[in-house]
Amino acid sequence: AQKITQTQPGMFVQEKEAVTLDCTYDTSDQSYGLFWYKQPSSGEMIFLIYQGSYDEQNATEGRYSLNFQKARKSANLVISASQLGDSAMYFCAMREGPGYNTDKLIFGTGTRLQVFP
Amino acid sequence: DGGITQSPKYLFRKEGQNVTLSCEQNLNHDAMYWYRQDPGQGLRLIYYSQIVNDFQKGDIAEGYSVSREKKESFPLTVTSAQKNPTAFYLCASSSRTGRNSPLHFGNGTRLTVT
Repeated sequence: AQKITQTQPGMFVQEKEAVTLDCTYDTSDQSYGLFWYKQPSSGEMIFLIYQGSYDEQNATEGRYSLNFQKARKSANLVISASQLGDSAMYFCAMREGPGYNTDKLIFGTGTRLQVFP
Repeated sequence: DGGITQSPKYLFRKEGQNVTLSCEQNLNHDAMYWYRQDPGQGLRLIYYSQIVNDFQKGDIAEGYSVSREKKESFPLTVTSAQKNPTAFYLCASSSRTGRNSPLHFGNGTRLTVT
């Protein structure tokens, strides 16, 4: 069964510094996708970045990049130049497929990031 | 603007009552999902639906029921059989099945049962 592990319950980073949020996953499927979401205190889930299992290059979206190490089954999120507005919960998630009965997103337990001035 | 609307934002019910959470999307997405989030925890899948009139149980479906009579709507009923219904409920949708489709989420409904 697929599983997502986020071992850092909380992280602190100073404004303008970079921070890495860890994520490891477990799956027997060769085809899967990895996602990162941000959840501010208001509760909505904001999609940040996606990495496919067959993508050879690490995904980047603005200040977000994904450090994908397939052999280690890790998909760490790197936030560069942290801003106060980055303070939130961050969730790593995985989706196997394509496939009718496997079309669901499984989430880790999250990491609470706090950015201080 | 297109999006997913969950209503109400806060919901209070007495124990033993069924309650239905609304989820509507105007993104023309085929797939819709319901997740439950408890304090300090990740999201757990309750039910999902990939086409109208069809849905599958997720990891924690006991005590919940859903319907998918229209593409735009995927209401969740929390029944009295759900032992711990107090939680934050998130509805989501995606444009197609497949590993590279992100889920788009609504703003959630916070249900409190006393």
